[in-house]
Amino acid sequence: AQSVTQLDSHVSVSEGTPVLLRCNYSSSYSPSLFWYVQHPNKGLQLLLKYTSAATLVKGINGFEAEFKKSETSFHLTKPSAHMSDAAEYFCVVSGYSNYQLIWGAGTKLIIKP
Amino acid sequence: NAGVMQNPRHLVRRRGQEARLRCSPMKGHSHVYWYRQLPEEGLKFMVYLQKENIIDESGMPKERFSAEFPKEGPSILRIQQVVRGDSAAYFCASSSLGRVDAEAFFGQGTRLTVV
Repeated sequence: AQSVTQLDSHVSVSEGTPVLLRCNYSSSYSPSLFWYVQHPNKGLQLLLKYTSAATLVKGINGFEAEFKKSETSFHLTKPSAHMSDAAEYFCVVSGYSNYQLIWGAGTKLIIKP
Repeated sequence: NAGVMQNPRHLVRRRGQEARLRCSPMKGHSHVYWYRQLPEEGLKFMVYLQKENIIDESGMPKERFSAEFPKEGPSILRIQQVVRGDSAAYFCASSSLGRVDAEAFFGQGTRLTVV
């Protein structure tokens, strides 16, 4: 069965420092992987997706993620945090069907001034 | 092109009442998905619909919950005789294709509170 684990429920970084949000997945086949962001009182927005092309995926707002099959990881990074990055981030893996998404529990990113 | 529209944004119901949640997909999208998010948890798949058809309702509770996506009008998620445990955020998403590599666009959610 497919599953996803976000290793930190909260991450706090200072503005201008790097961001690392960790995600491990379990899948019985080659999955598609996604990161979504949820700002307070707003909908969910797709940051980036991996669908078996390049293992380093670039997304919006300077975020990127690297698919590492050997480590079953898909960590999200950004070189320099901005106050507007404060939000909740979800790592998502494709389910057994070609339309289902399996969601992690989320990581709240806190940016300190 | 308006995004996925959900209404109401907030809904308060007393135990035993009915809740109706509406979702208008993006223009041109015929695939709709409903997810539920409990506090401190990720989203859980509930149901996938195409126009007039339920494709997969494996995530829906067997009782009290139903969903439809009529030929005309929004998709409706209906919860009968609500209980406190139904309190959650309900998100709707739509896509142009029924595949995960077709980006699913999400609405802002309906936050249901059962008192």
